[in-house]
Amino acid sequence: TQLLEQSPQFLSIQEGENLTVYCNSSSVFSSLQWYRQEPGEGPVLLVTVVTGGEVKKLKRLTFQFGDARKDSSLHITAAQPGDTGLYLCAGVLSGGSNYKLTFGKGTLLTVNP
Amino acid sequence: DSGVTQTPKHLITATGQRVTLRCSPRSGDLSVYWYQQSLDQGLQFLIQYYNGEERAKGNILERFSAQQFPDLHSELNLSSLELGDSALYFCASGEAGGRAEQFFGPGTRLTVL
Repeated sequence: TQLLEQSPQFLSIQEGENLTVYCNSSSVFSSLQWYRQEPGEGPVLLVTVVTGGEVKKLKRLTFQFGDARKDSSLHITAAQPGDTGLYLCAGVLSGGSNYKLTFGKGTLLTVNP
Repeated sequence: DSGVTQTPKHLITATGQRVTLRCSPRSGDLSVYWYQQSLDQGLQFLIQYYNGEERAKGNILERFSAQQFPDLHSELNLSSLELGDSALYFCASGEAGGRAEQFFGPGTRLTVL
């Protein structure tokens, strides 16, 4: 079983639409990160959230950490073709090793012009 | 550019062979992490080194080994290669503990024929 479940697995939308992708777990995380990965390249860190209920904004991207620190969401407003990529969430388990990140399998987003 | 370098970019080899992948972390980072990414398994944590010592182990096969040298670069050795070892291998670096933010290199694409 996957510790971090991401949904949807695939998402194809038109430019200008809004979207939300989710990262859920039954475990509590001390911190959670979102990465974006383009084909053939390494994941790039977008944001880290550490406090339950925390909301962070990065231009058109809004990240939220659940109150219980078990889930997170990423909302993109007015998506653009440049947002296309694999969005990965990753977390450090609360009470676990500070050194190990657990990754979800990702949401593959395609934004069509 | 994350500041993490990996060589080679591509590697094609035959079953039964042995290869070495190399990673140089970002300046100042003491931790190096190795990941394997395949289409069906997603991004899988293999192993982490901190300042020359093994710190955490994930789903790393016994045929695989790694080390971190005094100059902090790291090598991942893969031996007795099988077809199923074909994947993207990423190295990431970061500070241990805290938010565990990691910065990924561009990866090595390994193809075993």
